[in-house]
Amino acid sequence: GAVVSQHPSWVICKSGTSVKIECRSLDFQATTMFWYRQFPKQSLMLMATSNEGSKATYEQGVEKDKFLINHASLTLSTLTVTSAHPEDSSFYICSARVAREALGGQFFGPGTRLTVL
Amino acid sequence: QQQVKQSPQSLIVQKGGISIINCAYENTAFDYFPWYQQFPGKGPALLIAIRPDVSEKKEGRFTISFNKSAKQFSLHIMDSQPGDSATYFCAARVRGTSYGKLTFGQGTILTVHP
Repeated sequence: GAVVSQHPSWVICKSGTSVKIECRSLDFQATTMFWYRQFPKQSLMLMATSNEGSKATYEQGVEKDKFLINHASLTLSTLTVTSAHPEDSSFYICSARVAREALGGQFFGPGTRLTVL
Repeated sequence: QQQVKQSPQSLIVQKGGISIINCAYENTAFDYFPWYQQFPGKGPALLIAIRPDVSEKKEGRFTISFNKSAKQFSLHIMDSQPGDSATYFCAARVRGTSYGKLTFGQGTILTVHP
């Protein structure tokens, strides 16, 4: 149980285009999902907290107009990188919070590698 | 005060040895301390977690030791295997706020030599 998927697993796009990344909780309902960004050999940097049916809460320094987050259902959250530039190239990881603490709290997706040319 | 400091940055252990990774925190409002294992190109996977009312938790070869007074916790990997080679992150969560937001340590790259 507690499986989180992400799609796509990797994407290459041209500078100026927008890219959408999907995060799904496959076998549980996730009222809260988180989006992280990770650079090589670095820790996870929380970008935003997404709650179903409400606006995402962005961390300080994260541009909400550039990284659009939608959490339309209890099993799906999307991150859209708008007008992507090479500096947006990174590993994007989502996680979903499990309501029952006995299951471990927060489970991560496999990540999406974004490369902007 | 939200930081979690992790050490060492990298660790090399021989097969069969014990790997020890340490984390320290300042915020006494943290109430949940998970460890995650991450392989290259993959998302982190929950390994083991502990709450501050327990001093030790063991699951197979993995043990968390928790010292509340020192505000430190550590991960011990017994009988380390080459397959354990990965990056390990400690994390902490503030009690009752931010929908369970985690604060992560800097990560430790573990290499287990055969």
